[in-house]
Amino acid sequence: GNSVTQMEGPVTLSEEAFLTINCTYTATGYPSLFWYVQYPGEGLQLLLKATKADDKGSNKGFEATYRKETTSFHLEKGSVQVSDSAVYFCALTVSGNTPLVFGKGTRLSVIA
Amino acid sequence: GAGVSQTPSNKVTEKGKYVELRCDPISGHTALYWYRQSLGQGPEFLIYFQGTGAADDSGLPNDRFFAVRPEGSVSTLKIQRTERGDSAVYLCASSGGQNSPLHFGNGTRLTVT
Repeated sequence: GNSVTQMEGPVTLSEEAFLTINCTYTATGYPSLFWYVQYPGEGLQLLLKATKADDKGSNKGFEATYRKETTSFHLEKGSVQVSDSAVYFCALTVSGNTPLVFGKGTRLSVIA
Repeated sequence: GAGVSQTPSNKVTEKGKYVELRCDPISGHTALYWYRQSLGQGPEFLIYFQGTGAADDSGLPNDRFFAVRPEGSVSTLKIQRTERGDSAVYLCASSGGQNSPLHFGNGTRLTVT
């Protein structure tokens, strides 16, 4: 089946620190990969995506590269801000309209 | 423009009661999804509509759960004979079509006492 495994949280970082949140996947077929973010009190929002191997998704200073050889899509940011504090979810879909499969989420807290 | 709207935002009910949760998708979005998110977990797929019909209901946990979308817009998730284990945040999302991103509502937090 299709599944996503992401690193356990919570992750606590100081402002301007480097962030990595690991995500690996298992898929029957060729997936598209996503990172969603849930800020406190808000709904899930798409942060970035990549639809084929070696693609790099980027948004708001966050990046993730689709690595087929390691079945990974790790989220990185070079310098986090307090406003990045949220829960981050890695997700995949195997074809355009099949339901997204989510990881368990990783809570990030950034302290000033 | 308006996003996905879910009502109520919070619902507390007693074990055994019936509840309905409503989702108003973004206007014109043909695809609508229901997910359930338990504490500390990621969203878990329940059912997906394309237009009026349920294209995939494989995530519904049992026959106490049912969803409709009679006019291809608003959807209602219905839970009969609620159990304490049904307590979770129920999320709705809509999409404009294949390969379009999902837009999520803020969810309905259901608590069964």
